[in-house]
Amino acid sequence: SQQGEEDPQALSIQEGENATMNCSYKTSINNLQWYRQNSGRGLVHLILIRSNEREKHSGRLRVTLDTSKKSSSLLITASRAADTASYFCATDARADYKLSFGAGTTVTVRA
Amino acid sequence: KAGVTQTPRYLIKTRGQQVTLSCSPISGHRSVSWYQQTPGQGLQFLFEYFSETQRNKGNFPGRFSGRQFSNSRSEMNVSTLELGDSALYLCASSLVTGSNQPQHFGDGTRLSIL
Repeated sequence: SQQGEEDPQALSIQEGENATMNCSYKTSINNLQWYRQNSGRGLVHLILIRSNEREKHSGRLRVTLDTSKKSSSLLITASRAADTASYFCATDARADYKLSFGAGTTVTVRA
Repeated sequence: KAGVTQTPRYLIKTRGQQVTLSCSPISGHRSVSWYQQTPGQGLQFLFEYFSETQRNKGNFPGRFSGRQFSNSRSEMNVSTLELGDSALYLCASSLVTGSNQPQHFGDGTRLSIL
C-alpha cells in the first residue's frame, strides 16, 4: 500500500511560472523525501526533510512539512522546460523504515 | 563517480521462465534496494540488502528473491514469470541502510513478459 499520495496527479504550467504539488501521508514518519523522474529514467533525489523540520530549500526548490496535517508540499520556482518530469514523495512509517512512494505528480512545463 | 548501473536495460521473457537482474551500486555504497514500477501500482518496494543481509522486504510473493555480494553488487531473481511481472525494475543504492539516506537510482531494467 502507498503511504504517500501526491496531488494533483498532473500539472501543466508555462515556463517561468511556479509549480506546487502536495503530498499527504497516513502514519507518523521519520523523514520525507522528494524525487524527480524523467521519462524512461531512474529517480533522482531532490531533497530530504526530517520530521522535526518545517521547511527546507535547495536552489529553486522549497519543501514544507506539516506533521500535524501529515502533509508536505514541493514548490518549484521559475520553472524551466527541463523541469518537465514526474515528482514523487517518499515516506517511511516510524515503526517501519521502508520507503513508500506515492503515485506521483506529472509536471509539464510549456515553452 | 559512476552512478548505479543496472543490466540489462531491456529484457523480454515468456511466462514460466525465470530472470536475473543485476545492479552495481555507487562505489562505497553498501545498501541496495529494489523497486518495481508499473503504471497501475506505481513504485513498490521489493527488498533491501545491506552488508549481504536482507534488511527489509516488501509484500511480494516468494518468486521474487535477491542477494547481495561482498562487493555490494546485487542481483534480483524472479522465477515462474507471470504477465503481471512486466514492469520497470529499479535498483537504488545508499551509503548505509536507513530511511534518512538519499537513494541513488539506476535507470532500471524494463522487463516485458509475453
